[in-house]
Amino acid sequence: ETGVTQSPTHLIKTRGQQVTLRCSSQSGHNTVSWYQQALGQGPQFIFQYYREEENGRGNFPPRFSGLQFPNYSSELNVNALELDDSALYLCASSQGQTNTGELFFGEGSRLTVL
Amino acid sequence: AQRVTQPEKLLSVFKGAPVELKCNYSYSGSPELFWYVQYSRQRLQLLLRHISRESIKGFTADLNKGETSFHLKKPFAQEEDSAMYYCAHNYGGSQGNLIFGKGTKLSVKP
Repeated sequence: ETGVTQSPTHLIKTRGQQVTLRCSSQSGHNTVSWYQQALGQGPQFIFQYYREEENGRGNFPPRFSGLQFPNYSSELNVNALELDDSALYLCASSQGQTNTGELFFGEGSRLTVL
Repeated sequence: AQRVTQPEKLLSVFKGAPVELKCNYSYSGSPELFWYVQYSRQRLQLLLRHISRESIKGFTADLNKGETSFHLKKPFAQEEDSAMYYCAHNYGGSQGNLIFGKGTKLSVKP
């Protein structure tokens, strides 16, 4: 069974740039959730995708957008990067539209915005 | 706004001592609560969920609706329990998102 994989593991961008983070879900999972984890904080829900459609969104501006592909992998795109976007971005996959709570996390992509 | 509060950033105990990691939530309905754990150099993973009423690695957590709490307990801490612990609440229904607390770092000393 293949776990959740994320790429890249680390990246550095400057203010105003755009970034795309990628996630492959665990085998057999059709739902992907994205979380932002700032230093010293718990993960904060960005949005969730189920069968290629957005299925819930947290309190993040529209410049945070996503996609899910037919193979259930997913991308997180952030436009017009701000310094406060520096964080660890976690992808988590699960089975089913209603989340019973067991999320399987990737190791994250650490984004630094200068 | 829905909130999960973990009042302790760091909890340090000696091996064999009891441990209790506190978690309080704000929600008026029927909560779905979880504890996630992150060991050093490992990814975040589910430890236990209140609906299962299970004991995992000697840890238990009881939902107290009156006190809106879901504290994690273990009678005898082990060094391998040292990790970051996050309490989480799923209030999203069909949206199914989790609200996480800020986490408590548990350090078990030999």
